[in-house]
Amino acid sequence: SQELEQSPQSLIVQEGKNLTINCTSSKTLYGLYWYKQKYGEGLIFLMMLQKGGEEKSHEKITAKLDEKKQQSSLHITASQPSHAGIYLCGADMSNAGKSTFGDGTTLTVKP
Amino acid sequence: SQTIHQWPATLVQPVGSPLSLECTVEGTSNPNLYWYRQAAGRGLQLLFYSVGIGQISSEVPQNLSASRPQDRQFILSSKKLLLSDSGFYLCAWSVSGYQETQYFGPGTRLLVL
Repeated sequence: SQELEQSPQSLIVQEGKNLTINCTSSKTLYGLYWYKQKYGEGLIFLMMLQKGGEEKSHEKITAKLDEKKQQSSLHITASQPSHAGIYLCGADMSNAGKSTFGDGTTLTVKP
Repeated sequence: SQTIHQWPATLVQPVGSPLSLECTVEGTSNPNLYWYRQAAGRGLQLLFYSVGIGQISSEVPQNLSASRPQDRQFILSSKKLLLSDSGFYLCAWSVSGYQETQYFGPGTRLLVL
């Protein structure tokens, strides 16, 4: 079974709309990372969350880690075509310095 | 600032041929280094990670091997490629320690025919 579940698998939104992507685990997350990937390219680091209830923002992207540290949400406000890509969450599940990744959410923003 | 390089960017190889993918990091010392494979529509699968020269941990038994001959060089190899080795290979580095952010290279797309 997948240790990190991302939902939805894909998302198509109209430019200007808000959207949320979720990343869920049955285990405690020692560090939760959000990355963005353009097809065929490397991953771009967006932000890292470590503490329960922590919330961080990067431009119009906000990510939050729940109090139990088992779920994170990524929220994009007023989406733009430049937000399109694959969003991946990664987490240190064992506090051993190795990350597990979700399958990614493909975001399409229609102009 | 730190940068990470991977080459080649793309590679097409016949089944049974050898493989060598290279990853180098600049601007940091004693990094943790990682090799991942990403299948189409899937997340990243950790293949190998290294905390120092000559120290390699394998996460998934397979047809591949990794070596770290220098502090900032990480090599992914195979003696005989299989069709199932096709995919997108990503190298990443992090500061040594736990819960450190990983930074990724541009990736190598490998197609085995």
